[in-house]
Parts: sequence; C-alpha cells; structure tokens
Amino acid sequence: EAGVTQFPSHSVIEKGQTVTLRCDPISGHDNLYWYRRVMGKEIKFLLHFVKESKQDESGMPNNRFLAERTGGTYSTLKVQPAELEDSGVYFCASSQDNGRDEAFFGQGTRLTVV
Amino acid sequence: AQRVTQPEKLLSVFKGAPVELKCNYSYSGSPELFWYVQYSRQRLQLLLRHISRESIKGFTADLNKGETSFHLKKPFAQEEDSAMYYCALSPSGGYQKVTFGTGTKLQVIP
Repeated sequence: EAGVTQFPSHSVIEKGQTVTLRCDPISGHDNLYWYRRVMGKEIKFLLHFVKESKQDESGMPNNRFLAERTGGTYSTLKVQPAELEDSGVYFCASSQDNGRDEAFFGQGTRLTVV
Repeated sequence: AQRVTQPEKLLSVFKGAPVELKCNYSYSGSPELFWYVQYSRQRLQLLLRHISRESIKGFTADLNKGETSFHLKKPFAQEEDSAMYYCALSPSGGYQKVTFGTGTKLQVIP
C-alpha cells in the first residue's frame, strides 16, 4: 500500500512568489493533517481536514496560507505571497476514520524562500 | 495552552549504554503522549503512545502525571537507534492537533 505522498520534495522560490504543495493521503483515510517545522523550532500543527471539510484550522499562521481538499482526496497548501519566514519543512499526515487511528506522515516538502 | 519540552538537542551515548530522552509537557487536562522517530532519510513515524504501554524496539516510556514527564528509555542503545526523536502531545486523546517538542537527536557511538 502506498504511503502518504508529498510533492514536491523540495521547492526554492523567491519572496513574493506563490507555491503550492500537494499531499496525497493513504487511500481511504478521511483525516488529513498539515504540519510544518521552521528552522530550529518544533513541528507545528497547521490544520486538519475530515474529508473535504476543515475540522480545525487554528494553526494556520495567516491569510497567506490557503489549504484545500476538494473531493476529500488529495490536499493542496498554497502560500501566496511567500515570505522568508515561511521557509521550513511542511509535513502532511493522514489517518483513518475517527482520528484515533495512527496518523502516517509523508516525507515532507522542504520549502526555501529566498 | 499545551507545550512539550525536550531539553536536549543532542544526546550522544555509546553502544550498549542506557538511553533516556527527556520530555516534559504542560497541559491542564489529561493528554495523550506519544514518541515519534525519524531515521535518516525516512519519514516521521510513531514509535509508541502511552496508552498502549508497549515496548517498541526495546524502548519504553512511562507517563508521570505528577512530574508531567514522558521520558523515553532503552536499557542498551544500538547503532540503529540513531535518529531524531520527537515527544508529542494530543489534548483530544487522538491524533488531531498534535503538539510536538523540538526533538532530540540521538547519536549512538559504536
């Protein structure tokens, strides 16, 4: 069974540009989570989808970040416009039905804003 | 607000020596605690959770509510244990909105 897949694995963009990160969860997993780790800091929760609905987006840092999960399958996280402080590793995770099942992580997308 | 503290950024031990990775948390309710591990070039993966009371790869962790700690221990370190270890907390008793610590890099010296 394929695990959680994230695209791209690395992205280098200039300040002010737009970047879209994609996450393909494990098939059948209704719960999808986004996290990020900025340099030297802890991995922080961004938001949680249940199917296509945002269950909790309290961790989204500001309105430059937009997450979608149309159709309840893959999810995208768009940063527009990107700022230097957005650099870090963005992780996606998914779990089955009720959120009490183990969440499996993707390999992460390393975003560098220059 | 919940917080997880891992005081050591790097812990170096010799192979065969005991390992203890420290984790303290702050949360007013009854959280669920986890340890995650990330081996070199691999994904972050769940190592163990306190409610399962399992020993995984020889590691154990006991939740001490009085000291608000969840230290990870292994009696004899192996080279393959070298990795980043993250302590994490969930307020809801599941995997939603997990709060992670900053991580401790464990280096096992042959």
